[in-house]
Amino acid sequence: AQSVTQLDSQVPVFEEAPVELRCNYSSSVSVYLFWYVQYPNQGLQLLLKYLSGSTLVESINGFEAEFNKSQTSFHLRKPSVHISDTAEYFCAVSDNFGNEKLTFGTGTRLTIIP
Amino acid sequence: EAGVTQFPSHSVIEKGQTVTLRCDPISGHDNLYWYRRVMGKEIKFLLHFVKESKQDESGMPNNRFLAERTGGTYSTLKVQPAELEDSGVYFCASSHGLGYTFGSGTRLTVV
Repeated sequence: AQSVTQLDSQVPVFEEAPVELRCNYSSSVSVYLFWYVQYPNQGLQLLLKYLSGSTLVESINGFEAEFNKSQTSFHLRKPSVHISDTAEYFCAVSDNFGNEKLTFGTGTRLTIIP
Repeated sequence: EAGVTQFPSHSVIEKGQTVTLRCDPISGHDNLYWYRRVMGKEIKFLLHFVKESKQDESGMPNNRFLAERTGGTYSTLKVQPAELEDSGVYFCASSHGLGYTFGSGTRLTVV
């Protein structure tokens, strides 16, 4: 069984400030890790994912996440946020045996303050 | 290519009524998933179709929920009779084995 913990349900951040959204997971098997984003009135979109290789993965809009196996974490970071980053962010895991079933965290609502 | 389409986008029904949600996956995607998010909680897996077959329905909450995917194309999720705790956002996703595409979800409110 797998579980995902996102401790911060809401994170307010000033525009152009850095942000870190925390994600920890628990699993008895090796996992793939994902961050999904849901912008207001839209569906879930894949932001970035870790499957293998380099533990630091990046998105096209400036977010990055680092897989830390020893700490079972996959925190999401951005050095300077924009108003357009206002959204809810979900961390998720799946096993890496070909089963695409996702286990999600409870989500973090990121609010950017102008 | 067209994305995953879900409708209705919103539905408000009374307790005891029946509601049917529909999901049209991306053409050619054999895998179709249903997930649900109850207010403030995590998004939870409901079930997984491979073509028209139910591969995994371990997340279905109870027998008031019935999912079908006749012909391996679109899928429906029927709730009958609906209860207050069924309120939430129901997401559908499709995949051809290389990652999901999610629909925008159906927000179901049972009053």
